[in-house]
Amino acid sequence: AQTVTQSQPEMSVQEAETVTLSCTYDTSESDYYLFWYKQPPSRQMILVIRQEAYKQQNATENRFSVNFQKAAKSFSLKISDSQLGDAAMYFCAYSYQGGSEKLVFGKGTKLTVNP
Amino acid sequence: DAGVTQSPTHLIKTRGQQVTLRCSPKSGHDTVSWYQQALGQGPQFIFQYYEEEERQRGNFPDRFSGHQFPNYSSELNVNALLLGDSALYLCASSLRYQETQYFGPGTRLLVL
Repeated sequence: AQTVTQSQPEMSVQEAETVTLSCTYDTSESDYYLFWYKQPPSRQMILVIRQEAYKQQNATENRFSVNFQKAAKSFSLKISDSQLGDAAMYFCAYSYQGGSEKLVFGKGTKLTVNP
Repeated sequence: DAGVTQSPTHLIKTRGQQVTLRCSPKSGHDTVSWYQQALGQGPQFIFQYYEEEERQRGNFPDRFSGHQFPNYSSELNVNALLLGDSALYLCASSLRYQETQYFGPGTRLLVL
């Protein structure tokens, strides 16, 4: 069974600084999808960024980027120029076939942004 | 473009009762998945519906059942509620064979 591990229950960062959230996963598949979702106190789970395993290039979305290390089964999220609005729970998730397959989530990392 | 909507936003029930939660998918989406998120945990997959049939199921008892309607909206039913069923229930929609699931705001269920 696939598993996702987030080893940092909590992280904090100063506004305008950079922070990296860690995620490791376990799967025997070679093609799959990885996601980072953000869940603010409003509870709505918002997609931050996604990565297709067959793509070697790391995904980037504005201030958010990932470091995808397929051999190491590692998928970290880097947030640059952190803003107060980035404060939230961040969940790493795995899916074998994307929209038609279940998402397997980690336990999350709570990110605090200090002014 | 309407996103995923869920109703109600909050619900309080007592042990042994039954509850129905509702979800309308994002416009154009045909697949609905349900997740249970206990306090302080990541979401856990309950089941997924496509073409009005349950296609996948997570490790949840038969007390959890669902339905998908021809307009792709979906219901989650939980019978014989237990205290441990208290959680945030999230609905996610997607287009079959595309990679991303989009979530609704969730329904907070409290079982007393």
